Amino acid sequence: DAGITQSPRHKVTETGTPVTLRCHQTENHRYMYWYRQDPGHGLRLIHYSYGVKDTDKGEVSDGYSVSRSKTEDFLLTLESATSSQTSVYFCAIRGGPANYGYTFGSGTRLTVV
Amino acid sequence: AQTVTQSQPEMSVQEAETVTLSCTYDTSESDYYLFWYKQPPSRQMILVIRQEAYKQQNATENRFSVNFQKAAKSFSLKISDSQLGDAAMYFCASITSGTYKYIFGTGTRLKVLA
Repeated sequence: DAGITQSPRHKVTETGTPVTLRCHQTENHRYMYWYRQDPGHGLRLIHYSYGVKDTDKGEVSDGYSVSRSKTEDFLLTLESATSSQTSVYFCAIRGGPANYGYTFGSGTRLTVV
Repeated sequence: AQTVTQSQPEMSVQEAETVTLSCTYDTSESDYYLFWYKQPPSRQMILVIRQEAYKQQNATENRFSVNFQKAAKSFSLKISDSQLGDAAMYFCASITSGTYKYIFGTGTRLKVLA
């Protein structure tokens, strides 16, 4: 979507390797989020950020870490990838009050083999 | 804790007909917001419609409207004059005012039959 990009769009990696997904925004929004999408589970929050260097855990944070050193970039790292982390990962941003809703990135399909 | 439930994993509708997707939620808060998102096969998540809990009037966006029943904690999406392009996954979501996190339902896959 305009103003938010995720990279890579697709990735295949081996079990046990570290993986970093990148979310980049040009909207100067305060809030950034990482979700994973799995069949039957909808979207589940991994981590979120409410400012530079301000992050917090979501409901499925085990095995993931994040960093936000600049307003525009929010990185998600799988410290040692496992097959259970095969999923589609979405980044989202929110610029205003809660009723604004999210703007989503186009997602990253990660396959851990 | 806030929860969102979509009990219909999949639904079908004939082109040009009307379909209603169900969503229920549970919250103890009084100030919150509800949303419907569409995810077509392209995977892009698109905001369809939003509803502020303090507003009694149901939100409408062209062919999309909601039936918001606050006492019943129900927030259904009605799609009128269904089109082939409406085929997608639809997610219901909520957020409490003053908090950071949206809570999503598990989604309903809508098929539109020609």
